[in-house]
Formats: sequence, C-alpha cells, structure tokens
Amino acid sequence: NAGVTQTPKFQVLKTGQSMTLQCAQDMNHEYMSWYRQDPGMGLRLIHYSVGAGITDQGEVPNGYNVSRSTTEDFPLRLLSAAPSQTSVYFCASSADRAQPQHFGDGTRLSIL
Amino acid sequence: GNSVTQMEGPVTLSEEAFLTINCTYTATGYPSLFWYVQYPGEGLQLLLKATKADDKGSNKGFEATYRKETTSFHLEKGSVQVSDSAVYFCALSDRNDYKLSFGAGTTVTVRA
Repeated sequence: NAGVTQTPKFQVLKTGQSMTLQCAQDMNHEYMSWYRQDPGMGLRLIHYSVGAGITDQGEVPNGYNVSRSTTEDFPLRLLSAAPSQTSVYFCASSADRAQPQHFGDGTRLSIL
Repeated sequence: GNSVTQMEGPVTLSEEAFLTINCTYTATGYPSLFWYVQYPGEGLQLLLKATKADDKGSNKGFEATYRKETTSFHLEKGSVQVSDSAVYFCALSDRNDYKLSFGAGTTVTVRA
C-alpha cells in the first residue's frame, strides 16, 4: 500500500550543491508532477510528466530539472542549490488528467 | 490563466462549531474542483471533489457544491472536531491539461 514514496524526508544543503529528490509510485499512474510549498503561497507546480519520456515545465521550473525514464520514477534535480529553493517539495501522481492526484509525504529541503 | 482564491486564515474554532472556508476560482472552460487537506507533518490528501456544475462533493462530514454561476466551491462542516485541525487547500484541474492550481491554503485550528 505504498502509493507515492518520496526520499529523503529531510535534507540540508549548502549553496551551490546539487541534489536529486526521488519520487516513486506503484500505482502505474501516467501523470506525475512536482510541487513546492511555501508559506502563504499554496503549492506551485515545478515540472510535470504525462508519461514515460515526456516532461514539461510548470509554473516555477527555473533551477530544476526532471526526467521520466520509467512510469514509476520521476526524480527532481537541483543542479546548483540556492537559498530561494528552501521549501517543502511534494511529488504527486494520477491515472489521468481527470482523476485526483495522490501526494507523497514531502521532502523538507533547507539551503544554507 | 486559471487561479484559485480562498479565504485567508488562520481560523480558530471551538469544537462543534460550524466551519466555512470560502473558495472562488477563475478558469477557462469547465474545470474539476477539489478540496485537499494537509494534517501536520503529512502530505496532502484528497478530501472531496466535484467534476461538474451543481455536483456536491462530501466526505468525513465536509461538503462543497460546485457553483458555476458564482464560480465558487465553498467548504462546510456542521460540527468540527479537534481532529479536523489542518490546512485546507482548494484546487482546480483544467480539463485541457494536467495542471492543478491551488489556493494559498487555510489553516484551521479547533479547540476542545
């Protein structure tokens, strides 16, 4: 009964370091996405994917890269971390665009 | 573009009080509407949804009706409990793409 699994749960980075946030789902969902949650701003879409090999930018894509080599996995890469990327990151998936999204428990990331 | 505006919090209530959280939206076409709930330290969970005008979503004593004429999807519960303390997010999904647009979230605290 795993659903959407995100790792790690917490991470502290120094400015300029790189890091990959992992996201895996076991529901065979085609649609996956990454959001960041900041106080008073709700969740904002970073990148999304409608299937393996297909990704696209969301509302706030700068500073982040994604890839989707399998249906199950959708990692988010920070190439050179900046303090402005301190946030809580959520991965989500759904079977298709009409279905509600299932969220992971989040990764709390701090950039010093 | 699509947007969601929801009542700002925080909201503090006594147990058994009536809860209303206002949500209005701007969208092209006919979006699906959702309420998500985030309990402390957890990810977002779908609370209820409505996919067309006049639909009423309900779950765990919460209700919301999709009102196309007023572009609203207000969340209500007749008698809240301490366990309802959480952050509530209104969201919409455009039928033409996968993207979810979220409101800023409303923090609700219920006192015993």
